[in-house]
Amino acid sequence: DGGITQSPKYLFRKEGQNVTLSCEQNLNHDAMYWYRQDPGQGLRLIYYSQIVNDFQKGDIAEGYSVSREKKESFPLTVTSAQKNPTAFYLCASSIVRGGDYDGYTFGSGTRLTVV
Amino acid sequence: AQSVTQLDSHVSVSEGTPVLLRCNYSSSYSPSLFWYVQHPNKGLQLLLKYTSAATLVKGINGFEAEFKKSETSFHLTKPSAHMSDAAEYFCVVSDRAGGDKIIFGKGTRLHILP
Repeated sequence: DGGITQSPKYLFRKEGQNVTLSCEQNLNHDAMYWYRQDPGQGLRLIYYSQIVNDFQKGDIAEGYSVSREKKESFPLTVTSAQKNPTAFYLCASSIVRGGDYDGYTFGSGTRLTVV
Repeated sequence: AQSVTQLDSHVSVSEGTPVLLRCNYSSSYSPSLFWYVQHPNKGLQLLLKYTSAATLVKGINGFEAEFKKSETSFHLTKPSAHMSDAAEYFCVVSDRAGGDKIIFGKGTRLHILP
């Protein structure tokens, strides 16, 4: 079955440490996205990518980095510059972005906690 | 500017009674509108979408929504709530005039009372 796999499900980060969240899809979707979810704030866009080797900042990109070396993979690194990284992170993919946007397919999320 | 407002952060209904989750949007063009559902510690699942076809949209699990341009609303309804409907629901708007930007509402948590 096609879908998006996020790993790990739970992740703990120490102060000053970089951590990387994995996102893999086998839907042959061109576009992939990373969202951050905090209670009562909905979803906020961190980064998105419409094609391999290209990505754009979303609304809250500071302290995060991404890469898109393969169509199937869009890992997110939470750097030490992100001062408040504790949140639920969701990866999504779609056929196109906006306009003829047909809806996202979401992964099951990674819960990141600073310890 | 493009925006979406979910009018209730929490809604409680008894099992077997109707569900109404309210969503208003602001869009300068012809929007596409979506509802997603999220169960605890899970990703979001698409319930239904409106993309300028029929104004009454039927989705999964017995949910439906009606696009009302005059009221700029896209409320989500279900005739009879089930315990498994307890979750958080997000209204989403997308339009070309907004720069193809996709905006999520802040969510409505639906509680089902036995």
